[in-house]
Amino acid sequence: DVKVTQSSRYLVKRTGEKVFLECVQDMDHENMFWYRQDPGLGLRLIYFSYDVKMKEKGDIPEGYSVSREKKERFSLILESASTNQTSMYLCASSLIHQPQHFGDGTRLSIL
Amino acid sequence: QQPVQSPQAVILREGEDAVINCSSSKALYSVHWYRQKHGEAPVFLMILLKGGEQKGHDKISASFNEKKQQSSLYLTASQLSYSGTYFCGTYYSGGSNYKLTFGKGTLLTVNP
Repeated sequence: DVKVTQSSRYLVKRTGEKVFLECVQDMDHENMFWYRQDPGLGLRLIYFSYDVKMKEKGDIPEGYSVSREKKERFSLILESASTNQTSMYLCASSLIHQPQHFGDGTRLSIL
Repeated sequence: QQPVQSPQAVILREGEDAVINCSSSKALYSVHWYRQKHGEAPVFLMILLKGGEQKGHDKISASFNEKKQQSSLYLTASQLSYSGTYFCGTYYSGGSNYKLTFGKGTLLTVNP
């Protein structure tokens, strides 16, 4: 079974802090994704990566950056956290056009 | 642009049927369906790759009408375990090979 592991289930940070969310997958998938999930808005794509060191902006990239130095690891970075970034963050991985496998999510609160 | 799901929410009694629709204004290459239970990660249900294709397992099936750019998810003889939020995700024809665009979801509640 594919395993996508996110480093934290719950995280509390302060406004202005630099925040790192880590995601690791164990199935050698080329593609990895970061989504944000808010009530009533569904899953919105922040960034995705289709290869090591390759990344593309999704629909809501503002205020975020990503890093993919190794195939199995994809990090989401909040350069200067703000309260409007309080949300559930989901990482996923897949082969091209194949089902996405999601991690359990990180519920991030910015105070 | 997100695909549009309808209805936004539906409440059923155990054993009843439901249909969830996913519509796009852009030409579709494929449609994915996922279910997310409360507090859990979304879980893949099925992919529809060709216009008119129907897929299913157990009592959950789906169709893809390429002409209408629409997919429907059919849940028959619903069980309590079907409760959750259902999302469709779409790849657009001529669009990115990597970017799956999700709808806002349909909350399904099955009561005893």
